[in-house]
This record gives sequence, structure tokens and C-alpha cells, in this order.
Amino acid sequence: EIVLTQSPGTLSLSPGERATLSCRASQSVSSSYLAWYQQKPGQAPRLLIYGASSRATGIPDRFSGSGSGTDFTLTISRLEPEDFAVYYCQHSRAFGQGTKVEIK
Amino acid sequence: QITLKESGPTLVKPTQTLTLTCTFSGFSLSTSGVGVGWIRQPPGKALEWLALIYWNDDKRYSPSLKSRLTITKDTSKNQVVLTMTNMDPVDTATYYCAHRRLIRIAAAYDYWGQGTLVTVSS
Repeated sequence: EIVLTQSPGTLSLSPGERATLSCRASQSVSSSYLAWYQQKPGQAPRLLIYGASSRATGIPDRFSGSGSGTDFTLTISRLEPEDFAVYYCQHSRAFGQGTKVEIK
Repeated sequence: QITLKESGPTLVKPTQTLTLTCTFSGFSLSTSGVGVGWIRQPPGKALEWLALIYWNDDKRYSPSLKSRLTITKDTSKNQVVLTMTNMDPVDTATYYCAHRRLIRIAAAYDYWGQGTLVTVSS
């Protein structure tokens, strides 16, 4: 079974800064099924990126995804106040353990 | 507009069987490529994928929970039901159902229910 490992566990940044989140798979996976979600407290997850690099409907272009094989990245180019949340990568039956982006 | 809503008991006793229903609108589970999945999240912890049912009644389960899970669909009622046997306090979590969409060659959960918190306690 595929295991997804996200790093770092917590990212402390200021608004306006760039955030780079990593998701590493235990074996090579198809980019077609690699997705990223954002979750805020008390809310359901929201789809940000599918197919490793395609933005979901209504997602601002400051969010971008990249990667292939075992290494994938979610980048937030300039953090807005509403971007501080937990982010999960997902592939098929697996979710990563999440990266919390918190205000520094 | 796609919506999903989970329903079921909020409290179950250890060893009991949990039955959760996902009632959805805005799509048909008979449409090629569509699926409905279940994902859970213990308080303060990460998301955990549980099960998925496809439009063609193909089913997938978490390997670690496969022996305890059953997923079924009722297309006429726009519902998907998840049952989990032999509940334990570690199964306490918010349970979500989500719409899985095929987007060209990609797939992801693009619509989620609000989630329902299930507590396992005697």
C-alpha cells in the first residue's frame, strides 16, 4: 500500500510569504490521482489541486501543484490570511498526515 | 449544484455496528466515472480513507479495515450506505462522504458533506 509522507508538519510563515509543502509517496504513483486539499477548523476539506497540477474550480492562481513519481509539491505564492489552514495530499486510498500552515 | 449529507447515530457502543447514510443531490451515481467515497477524521488527527463505490457498483476498501466495512448504493434514492462492524472507541471520528469525479484522466474528491461526528463509548 502507498504511504504519503508530508513535510514539514508545521510551517510558520507571515502573510505575503511563499509556502512550499511537500508530499512524498512510498513508491512511484500516477500523477493523475494526486490531489491536494485545504481544511480549516470545523470544516470539511476543500479540493485545491487535482492531477498533481490542475487547479480546481474557483481556486486562486496563487495555489499551484507540481511533481511526479514520488515527489509532489504544493506552492502558495503569497499567503493570504485565509490560507492559514491544514493541507493534505491524497492519492487513491491514501492521505498524507497533513501540513499545518500557521501564522508566524 | 452538488450536495452531500451524512446521517446516522452520533453515539454507538463498543462492539456495535455503525450504519451511516450519505444522501446526495446534483449528480447521479449511474453516470459513468462517478464515485462516492467515505473518509473519516478522528478529533485532532489526519484524514483516513475508508471506502469508495463506483457508478458500476465496483467497490474499494481500506486494506486495514476491509473486514469490517461494507459500502452499498441505492441509485434510485441517491444514497450510499457505509456499515462498519465491531466499533471501538478508536473509531470515534467525524465521518465524511464525498463525490469523486473523473476529470479527463484525473480523479479527486471535489464535493464533500459537512461530516458527522460519531462517538464510540459505553
